[in-house]
Amino acid sequence: DGGITQSPKYLFRKEGQNVTLSCEQNLNHDAMYWYRQDPGQGLRLIYYSQIVNDFQKGDIAEGYSVSREKKESFPLTVTSAQKNPTAFYLCASSIAFAGVGNEQFFGPGTRLTVL
Amino acid sequence: AQKVTQAQTEISVVEKEDVTLDCVYETRDTTYYLFWYKQPPSGELVFLIRRNSFDEQNEISGRYSWNFQKSTSSFNFTITASQVVDSAVYFCALSDDLNRDDKIIFGKGTRLHILP
Repeated sequence: DGGITQSPKYLFRKEGQNVTLSCEQNLNHDAMYWYRQDPGQGLRLIYYSQIVNDFQKGDIAEGYSVSREKKESFPLTVTSAQKNPTAFYLCASSIAFAGVGNEQFFGPGTRLTVL
Repeated sequence: AQKVTQAQTEISVVEKEDVTLDCVYETRDTTYYLFWYKQPPSGELVFLIRRNSFDEQNEISGRYSWNFQKSTSSFNFTITASQVVDSAVYFCALSDDLNRDDKIIFGKGTRLHILP
């Protein structure tokens, strides 16, 4: 089945540690996105990538990093510089491309808790 | 600037009632796209509909219907004969032609409770 997988579903980390969230898609989509969702809030864009080996900062990129070495993979690292990392993280992908309003498809999310 | 406003933070209705979720958007562009997504308790966002700015025809899909009115910059979503399984957070979203990176701007969502 085509889709987006995120792992793990729940993640706990100690303060001061970096942690990497996985996102894989087999939809052959060019564009991928990372969002953060806090309780009662909408989705805020962290990073996005339109093509392999290229990515752009979203609205709240500070304290996060990404890579896009393969088309199907877009891992997100939450660094110790992120002051309030406890949140629900959603990965999404879309077929591409600028200006055509493609819908995004979402993974099941990873809930990160910093202890 | 792009903006999506969902003024209803939370709505509760009794099963089988009809319910309308409001969405008001702002954009300077004449070409834009509007979306609705559903987020059930499991957390994954489910795509429901996409509408482009040139098509104001209302759409119906089963118990779901959407009313797009450019004159009021609204794209409202109605669930007819609601069911408990409709309980979720619903997001309205916007993407416009000025947006060269296929970014979507989401509203803050409306949490819908369908009471049995």
